[in-house]
Amino acid sequence: AQTVTQSQPEMSVQEAETVTLSCTYDTSESDYYLFWYKQPPSRQMILVIRQEAYKQQNATENRFSVNFQKAAKSFSLKISDSQLGDAAMYFCAYRSAKHFYGGATNKLIFGTGTLLAVQP
Amino acid sequence: GAGVSQSPSNKVTEKGKDVELRCDPISGHTALYWYRQSLGQGLEFLIYFQGNSAPDKSGLPSDRFSAERTGGSVSTLTIQRTQQEDSAVYLCASSLGWGVQETQYFGPGTRLLVL
Repeated sequence: AQTVTQSQPEMSVQEAETVTLSCTYDTSESDYYLFWYKQPPSRQMILVIRQEAYKQQNATENRFSVNFQKAAKSFSLKISDSQLGDAAMYFCAYRSAKHFYGGATNKLIFGTGTLLAVQP
Repeated sequence: GAGVSQSPSNKVTEKGKDVELRCDPISGHTALYWYRQSLGQGLEFLIYFQGNSAPDKSGLPSDRFSAERTGGSVSTLTIQRTQQEDSAVYLCASSLGWGVQETQYFGPGTRLLVL
């Protein structure tokens, strides 16, 4: 079974600074997807960034980028130029790339989250 | 269009009572998921619906939990004889299909408190 581990329950960053959130995962599959979701106090889960395991290039979305190390099974999120609106719980998630009819469900497997505080 | 909606937003119930939680997915989305988020925990998969296929119920924690999806749209998660450990936020998500490219869009969740 796949597992996702986030070892930092809480992190803090100064506004305009850079912070990196860590995520490791365990899987025997070779093809999969990795995600970072943001959950503000409103509880709405928002997709931040996605990485396909078959791609070597790290995904980037504006101020958000990832460092994907497939061999090490590591998937960290870097937030540059942190803003007050970035304060939230961040979840790392894994999803198998197996076809549904191959017996796999497209369910997401989540880590326990990292609560990010942004100091003004 | 509108996003995923869930109702009620909050629900307080007494131990032993039954509760129903509702999810309205994004129009046209054929895949629907239920997750549970307990305090201090990540999200835990409960059940998955895809079109007319049999749902994947592998994540349901006990037979007190059930879900249905009517007309391929609205879904209801029912918890019978609620227990205090059922207290959590229940999140619903939908996606356009089952393809690996599909992003899951989440609703705001229902916070359930069992006294």
